[in-house]
Amino acid sequence: RKEVEQDPGPFNVPEGATVAFNCTYSNSASQSFFWYRQDCRKEPKLLMSVYSSGNEDGRFTAQLNRASQYISLLIRDSKLSDSATYLCVVDSGGYQKVTFGTGTKLQVIP
Amino acid sequence: GAGVSQSPSNKVTEKGKDVELRCDPISGHTALYWYRQSLGQGLEFLIYFQGNSAPDKSGLPSDRFSAERTGGSVSTLTIQRTQQEDSAVYLCASSAEGLSYEQYFGPGTRLTVT
Repeated sequence: RKEVEQDPGPFNVPEGATVAFNCTYSNSASQSFFWYRQDCRKEPKLLMSVYSSGNEDGRFTAQLNRASQYISLLIRDSKLSDSATYLCVVDSGGYQKVTFGTGTKLQVIP
Repeated sequence: GAGVSQSPSNKVTEKGKDVELRCDPISGHTALYWYRQSLGQGLEFLIYFQGNSAPDKSGLPSDRFSAERTGGSVSTLTIQRTQQEDSAVYLCASSAEGLSYEQYFGPGTRLTVT
């Protein structure tokens, strides 16, 4: 099993739609979780951290499910500018590294 | 403030040559990371520095790859005897402290081995 797994997509959604991505991780000792966004041919940028209690930032909501070992990202009222690849990031739970998922591509269409 | 910078932005080299890539992290960030990303692929973790120390070098793809960091700041990634499969974008990131902190990425160095 891969350390971090994401559905590569692409997810093609109309403007205004709600879309959700999941990311599963294999190491039950992982403690830190993030969602990053990467635009084509650009470097990744932090979108939001994922806290145990779940957190929301505007149209974006992130949640952590430790029992099932996955994190999720929900985007409401999708905008054209949300089109990007969304990467989940998980620490290695005591090992000195972090692992990025391969990303889920989102395309918001007019 | 200044972000993470990397140099060169592009590097074309012949197979078998050595290359050195440089990363200047955000001032005050103690943690520094190197990744590589091949076209259309995810980020491959290479190495992580806390201060000048790299606790785990097992992410480096082969012994042709080495990295160092001096003065808790600038880091260099060296690839010896480059091969065509080394062609990728090499990304550097820094974070305020350790692995639990958000990372800020540089623009990357695009390496092409001919």
